[in-house]
Amino acid sequence: EAGVAQSPRYKIIEKRQSVAFWCNPISGHATLYWYQQILGQGPKLLIQFQNNGVVDDSQLPKDRFSAERLKGVDSTLKIQPAKLEDSAVYLCASSLPLAGGNTDTQYFGPGTRLTVL
Amino acid sequence: DQQVKQNSPSLSVQEGRISILNCDYTNSMFDYFLWYKKYPAEGPTFLISISSIKDKNEDGRFTVFLNKSAKHLSLHIVPSQPGDSAVYFCAASEGGGSQGNLIFGKGTKLSVKP
Repeated sequence: EAGVAQSPRYKIIEKRQSVAFWCNPISGHATLYWYQQILGQGPKLLIQFQNNGVVDDSQLPKDRFSAERLKGVDSTLKIQPAKLEDSAVYLCASSLPLAGGNTDTQYFGPGTRLTVL
Repeated sequence: DQQVKQNSPSLSVQEGRISILNCDYTNSMFDYFLWYKKYPAEGPTFLISISSIKDKNEDGRFTVFLNKSAKHLSLHIVPSQPGDSAVYFCAASEGGGSQGNLIFGKGTKLSVKP
């Protein structure tokens, strides 16, 4: 079974530029997550999708970050404009939904390492 | 304020010995706890979990202990192997068993020396 795919693996941009990351979840996984992991920290949830609907985006800095999952499969996360403090690894994860609105084990992709200069 | 704390940034253990990784939490609403393992340049992978209705869960060489009164959990690896060298993240959720909206600790880097 193929895992969660992410691209690009690495990206270097200047501050104020924009950048986009792509994620393809495990086939059949209706729930998709984007995390931000700053160096020395644990992953922090940015947004959670169930199919193409947003379940939780309370920690997404909406003035500069946006995410979409139009067809309920692939997802893109965009930062516009980027700031120095956005330098981090952006992780995508997916899981199967369970009954009652719960979700099963999250499977993570390899991440995209973003460096903002 | 950190809700999940891993106070030891690193741990070094001899091969064959026991590794004990610790995690403390502050939110009494957490009812599901997980450990993830992360190798460099890879995403975290699920290792083991425990529900708040239990105090122990075992899977092969890995055992997680939960002490709810102390808001503390620990991961025991016995015996430790060099391939266990990785960063271990403790995570928690309050979804009634759901593994969505995980709150992660900062991680502990385990080094197992041959």
